Amino acid sequence: DADVTQTPRNRITKTGKRIMLECSQTKGHDRMYWYRQDPGLGLQLIYYSFDVKDINKGEISDGYSVSRQAQAKFSLSLESAIPNQTALYFCATSDGLETQYFGPGTRLLVL
Amino acid sequence: KNQVEQSPQSLIILEGKNCTLQCNYTVSPFSNLRWYKQDTGRGPVSLTIMTFSENTKSNGRYTATLDADTKQSSLHITASQLSDSASYICVVSRYYGGATNKLIFGTGTLLAVQP
Repeated sequence: DADVTQTPRNRITKTGKRIMLECSQTKGHDRMYWYRQDPGLGLQLIYYSFDVKDINKGEISDGYSVSRQAQAKFSLSLESAIPNQTALYFCATSDGLETQYFGPGTRLLVL
Repeated sequence: KNQVEQSPQSLIILEGKNCTLQCNYTVSPFSNLRWYKQDTGRGPVSLTIMTFSENTKSNGRYTATLDADTKQSSLHITASQLSDSASYICVVSRYYGGATNKLIFGTGTLLAVQP
């Protein structure tokens, strides 16, 4: 089984809808991250969490929120999706030594 | 401004040939540099990591070099295989005191290995 899983893998939604992307990990890492990847751009950090009670904004947090339900689970929500949030979203974990382990990604299309 | 630039943007080579990908950065203060491989439709996977004092690191057919003085790194792939077709991303960690170092991602080099 994969160490970092993301659901759904693909999602099409309409402008204004609320959606949630979920991430689970079995690596036992405390640190979890959400990134988005757009064509021609490097990965951009949305939110990160160093433990269950810790939530931090990344570079591009506007329009997003997160929830760290447990050490193994970190969810990303788009409260009111807009077309420029169409992107590939990655969850990642790390054990504090900075190598990050990425999930397979969620491809989101906002119409 | 802390940036990571990679070249070329894309590259096509024949199977069995060697290639070298470049990464230039302006990140300061520097903590470490990583190369990741991202297969199409997958998340990035770490290939190598180098700190300031290391100038070369190998992982099988992949060899990364680092020149911290000129702020340049390269990833050399030897005897390429079809499975090397992927995007290769250079990631530089900016030092903030260890616990919250910031990762700055390059845009990647898309490599296609043709038979």
